[in-house]
Amino acid sequence: SQKIEQNSEALNIQEGKTATLTCNYTNYSPAYLQWYRQDPGRGPVFLLLIRENEKEKRKERLKVTFDTTLKQSLFHITASQPADSATYLCALVGDSSASKIIFGSGTRLSIRP
Amino acid sequence: DVKVTQSSRYLVKRTGEKVFLECVQDMDHENMFWYRQDPGLGLRLIYFSYDVKMKEKGDIPEGYSVSREKKERFSLILESASTNQTSMYLCASSPGALGKLFFGSGTQLSVL
Repeated sequence: SQKIEQNSEALNIQEGKTATLTCNYTNYSPAYLQWYRQDPGRGPVFLLLIRENEKEKRKERLKVTFDTTLKQSLFHITASQPADSATYLCALVGDSSASKIIFGSGTRLSIRP
Repeated sequence: DVKVTQSSRYLVKRTGEKVFLECVQDMDHENMFWYRQDPGLGLRLIYFSYDVKMKEKGDIPEGYSVSREKKERFSLILESASTNQTSMYLCASSPGALGKLFFGSGTQLSVL
């Protein structure tokens, strides 16, 4: 069956450093992959989307890579700030409009001052 | 601004009760989804709908049903609530093409 793994349940890093989160998947060929941010008690909020034929995508301090051979995506936050502390979720999306969207269990990121 | 509204923020029900969770979106989106979120398990897809009156099972549909009579509204029904259905329920919608999801704030359901 399809499986998504975010290999760190929690990540704790120093302010100013780059945070790198990993998303691995098996038994799925997604058309694209998404990253979301979730704060406690709130619904997830969309951050970035990367297509299967794209290697890298950037948005301000965020960078996502997508390697369909390794079946892996990396999510980077550069110059991290305490306000970046949240849970980050990756999601896989199929190639049709009727595709289900499946999520990893998330990585809880804490940025200490 | 995009909005997905879930009818209740907190809900407490008894075992065996029939429970309705309502979700309304104002973006004319084709797709709507129901997920549940549990600690350590992440978001798990219960059902989704890609058109009015159309529905597809997700990964954990057992014990649930859904209804989509109008494009803007997607209801999740627990026919006979059980304690293992205590969870945070999240509704989301997306336009058909890109699949970017817009989530509601969630309903924390407790079944006693």
